[in-house]
Amino acid sequence: EAGVAQSPRYKIIEKRQSVAFWCNPISGHATLYWYQQILGQGPKLLIQFQNNGVVDDSQLPKDRFSAERLKGVDSTLKIQPAKLEDSAVYLCASSALGQTYEQYFGPGTRLTVT
Amino acid sequence: TQLLEQSPQFLSIQEGENLTVYCNSSSVFSSLQWYRQEPGEGPVLLVTVVTGGEVKKLKRLTFQFGDARKDSSLHITAAQPGDTGLYLCAGTTSGTYKYIFGTGTRLKVLA
Repeated sequence: EAGVAQSPRYKIIEKRQSVAFWCNPISGHATLYWYQQILGQGPKLLIQFQNNGVVDDSQLPKDRFSAERLKGVDSTLKIQPAKLEDSAVYLCASSALGQTYEQYFGPGTRLTVT
Repeated sequence: TQLLEQSPQFLSIQEGENLTVYCNSSSVFSSLQWYRQEPGEGPVLLVTVVTGGEVKKLKRLTFQFGDARKDSSLHITAAQPGDTGLYLCAGTTSGTYKYIFGTGTRLKVLA
């Protein structure tokens, strides 16, 4: 079974530029998550999708961040314009509905804003 | 705001030693997961516990969920250099699939 795919793996941009990250979850997983992980800390949930609907985006900085999952499969997270404090690893995870409460992570995209 | 505090924050031990990592909250969780994350990779799920008082063993790793489902511990017996990494706990509350992550414990096992 293929895991969660993310691209790109690394991105360096200047502040005020735009950037987009892509995620393809495990096949059949209805729930998709985007997390932000600052170096040395635990991941912080940015947005949670169930199929193509948003379940939780309470911690998403909506003035600059946006995310979509139009067909309920893959997803894109965008930052526009980027700030220095957005430097972090952006992790995508997916899980299947049910009793297992288990999520599976992709390798992440490391973003550096200069 | 739900918080999961992990302790210790950093731990450096010699190969063969035992250690325990703690994950504490004032909130009740319906399930709790433990992950290990290595540099440049996403977290990898180690175990899920769902019942208060539950104990699970995975080779040299023992996981326990507190009776009140507010805390958990991870015990490693005879640590090996391959155990080095960032250990994360994450909890979910009843009726949701939203995960709250702990602050993390960075473990280094020296050969």
